[in-house]
Amino acid sequence: GEDVEQSLFLSVREGDSSVINCTYTDSSSTYLYWYKQEPGAGLQLLTYIFSNMDMKQDQRLTVLLNKMDKHLSLRIADTQTGDSAIYFCAERRRGGYNKLIFGAGTRLAVHP
Amino acid sequence: SAVISQKPSRDICQRGTSLTIQCQVDSQVTMMFWYRQQPGQSLTLIATANQGSEATYESGFVIDKFPISRPNLTFSTLTVSNMSPEDSSIYLCSADGQGRETQYFGPGTRLLVL
Repeated sequence: GEDVEQSLFLSVREGDSSVINCTYTDSSSTYLYWYKQEPGAGLQLLTYIFSNMDMKQDQRLTVLLNKMDKHLSLRIADTQTGDSAIYFCAERRRGGYNKLIFGAGTRLAVHP
Repeated sequence: SAVISQKPSRDICQRGTSLTIQCQVDSQVTMMFWYRQQPGQSLTLIATANQGSEATYESGFVIDKFPISRPNLTFSTLTVSNMSPEDSSIYLCSADGQGRETQYFGPGTRLLVL
């Protein structure tokens, strides 16, 4: 099927690490993405990973990719209240017009 | 990264009318995309717009309802025709970045149909 699946909600304490998980279905996906959507705003590209990589780190963000399990995760270190948002996982399928398939989004709530 | 702007940012429209949404990119891009995000939902691709050719629509979306223009490499419009309350959504424009491995989004147009 076309599904990209994410858990819908995550609550963390400020200063802790957040881990948002995503599973996808197409083993031919070329790139996988994490987008952030704050209330009333559009989508901000946070980071992405090429399918032949297994890890990518960018400041507080770490992306892990397990191709065998088709599992992608986003770890946010030292989570801050400004990280509260909806996080979307997306995959880009090989071929076609570089269409992105999005998950339902994970709402991250950061509390003191 | 590509900087993308959309107009209008939001609108309230009457049933049966049409609204045209504009999308402007700050650099020339080959492909532009239009997505819909229904309330509390994820994003669904409506169509892909290449300059100089007709838009390619996804299953469930048709040109008569969502006509798209792509007159040049930095601009596109999406029209939502004969609107009904079910068309109330956020409509987002996106474009590939340089190198085409990234895709950037505009801020979205929030549409409410009464």
